[in-house]
Amino acid sequence: EAQVTQNPRYLITVTGKKLTVTCSQNMNHEYMSWYRQDPGLGLRQIYYSMNVEVTDKGDVPEGYKVSRKEKRNFPLILESPSPNQTSLYFCASSLSISPVSGANVLTFGAGSRLTVL
Amino acid sequence: GESVGLHLPTLSVQEGDNSIINCAYSNSASDYFIWYKQESGKGPQFIIDIRSNMDKRQGQRVTVLLNKTVKHLSLQIAATQPGDSAVYFCAENMRGFQKLVFGTGTRLLVSP
Repeated sequence: EAQVTQNPRYLITVTGKKLTVTCSQNMNHEYMSWYRQDPGLGLRQIYYSMNVEVTDKGDVPEGYKVSRKEKRNFPLILESPSPNQTSLYFCASSLSISPVSGANVLTFGAGSRLTVL
Repeated sequence: GESVGLHLPTLSVQEGDNSIINCAYSNSASDYFIWYKQESGKGPQFIIDIRSNMDKRQGQRVTVLLNKTVKHLSLQIAATQPGDSAVYFCAENMRGFQKLVFGTGTRLLVSP
C-alpha cells in the first residue's frame, strides 16, 4: 500500500531532550515536507526537501533540523525541544511540487502528536 | 504576509443538504489550488484541485469553483453525508515556489 509512515504517533518528552520523528514513504517520491498543525493556525511548513541531499527551510524552521540521506526517509530532529514545539506534526510527500508536472498532490502521514513538558 | 484564509470556521448542515465551504486567498501569483479533507486522527487527504486557468472543476459529489477576480475559492459538496464530517483545508501553490500554503480550515458537521 502506498503510504507515508511516521513514528512515533504519540510522544511526551521533557524540555531539552533531543528527539527524532521519523518519516518514510514507499512511493519513490522526490518531494517531502514537514508541517506542524496548531489550533487556529492551520498547517505550517517547517522544512521541505526536493530530493536527496536537497533541503530548505519552510515558514517555521526555528528549533528543527532535517536530513535527506535517502529518497524514502526524511526525519525531523528536535535538538533541544521546548514547550512551544508541542504540536501535531505531519510528514507529506509528492512526486513533484510543481503544478506543471501534474503529479504534485501531497500524500500525508497520519501525524505525530508531540508534547514537550 | 499574504495568506490563505477561510470565511467560516464551522459549518453545520443536515444530511442530504449541499455544503459550500469558502476560502479567500490573497496572493495573485498563486496558480494552483487544492482542497484537502482531514478526518479526526488522520492526516489531510486530497479531494480535488484546480489550476488558475480554470473556473470550475467537478469530481464525484464535489465541485471546486475559482473566482480569480475576487480571489475566492469554494468547495461544494452535493448530498452531504455523515462521512463528510471533517475539517476541510484549502491550499494554494504560488507560481515559482516549492510549497503549498494552507488555510486555517473549516469544520463541517453533518447531522443525520
